[in-house]
Amino acid sequence: AQSVTQPDIHITVSEGASLELRCNYSYGATPYLFWYVQSPGQGLQLLLKYFSGDTLVQGIKGFEAEFKRSQSSFNLRKPSVHWSDAAEYFCAVGAATGGGNKLTFGTGTQLKVEL
Amino acid sequence: GAVVSQHPSRVICKSGTSVKIECRSLDFQATTMFWYRQFPKKSLMLMATSNEGSKATYEQGVEKDKFLINHASLTLSTLTVTSAHPEDSSFYICSALGPTNTGELFFGEGSRLTVL
Repeated sequence: AQSVTQPDIHITVSEGASLELRCNYSYGATPYLFWYVQSPGQGLQLLLKYFSGDTLVQGIKGFEAEFKRSQSSFNLRKPSVHWSDAAEYFCAVGAATGGGNKLTFGTGTQLKVEL
Repeated sequence: GAVVSQHPSRVICKSGTSVKIECRSLDFQATTMFWYRQFPKKSLMLMATSNEGSKATYEQGVEKDKFLINHASLTLSTLTVTSAHPEDSSFYICSALGPTNTGELFFGEGSRLTVL
C-alpha cells in the first residue's frame, strides 16, 4: 500500500527566508508525486507534480520540488517565502498505472510566516 | 482553468437527518470525481470514486449505505450523508479529473458538515 509521511506538522519561517517542507513516500512502483496547498476554508490547489523525467520540477508561486528515488523523498522548496504563502501544504502520491489520480495524502504541514 | 465548486460550504444539521453536498465542474465535463473526508490535523481520506452513469467505488471501511454518491451528469456528483450522527461531522472535499489528459485533479472548496 502507498503511504506519505510529512514529518513536520508545523513550520514557522520569517518572510524572505528559504523554505523546505519534507515529504517521504512509500510505494512499490513508479509513483506520481504531487504537492498541494490549502488555504483556510478552501479546497486544494496544485503547486507542482512529478510524473517522470527531470527530477527537479518547477511549480507555481516560485515553488520547486526534487524527486529523490534513493531517499523516497519529494521535498518542496522555495528560496524566499512571502507572507501569502502561509497555508497548509499536502504531499500526495498516486499510482502511475491509474493515471496518478487516486491519491494518498500526507497529514500536511502548516506553514506560518512571520513578518 | 478548470473550476470545481461545492455547495454548501457549511451545513449544520440535527442528528438523524440527511444532508446532501453537491460537487460541480463549472467549465468542463468530469467523468470521474472523487470524494474525500478531512479530519482535523489529519490528511484527506479518499472515500469513494464517482463515475458518471455508474455506481461509485467505495474505499475499504467506508459505508456505502451511509454515504450515498450519485454522479448523474458529467458536471455533477452528490454526496448524501444519511442519518447523520455527530461522528460524521467533518470537512468533505470533492475533486474532479481535469479536461486535459494530464491526470491532474481539481478540487472543490470543501464543505464543513456539523451534526448536532
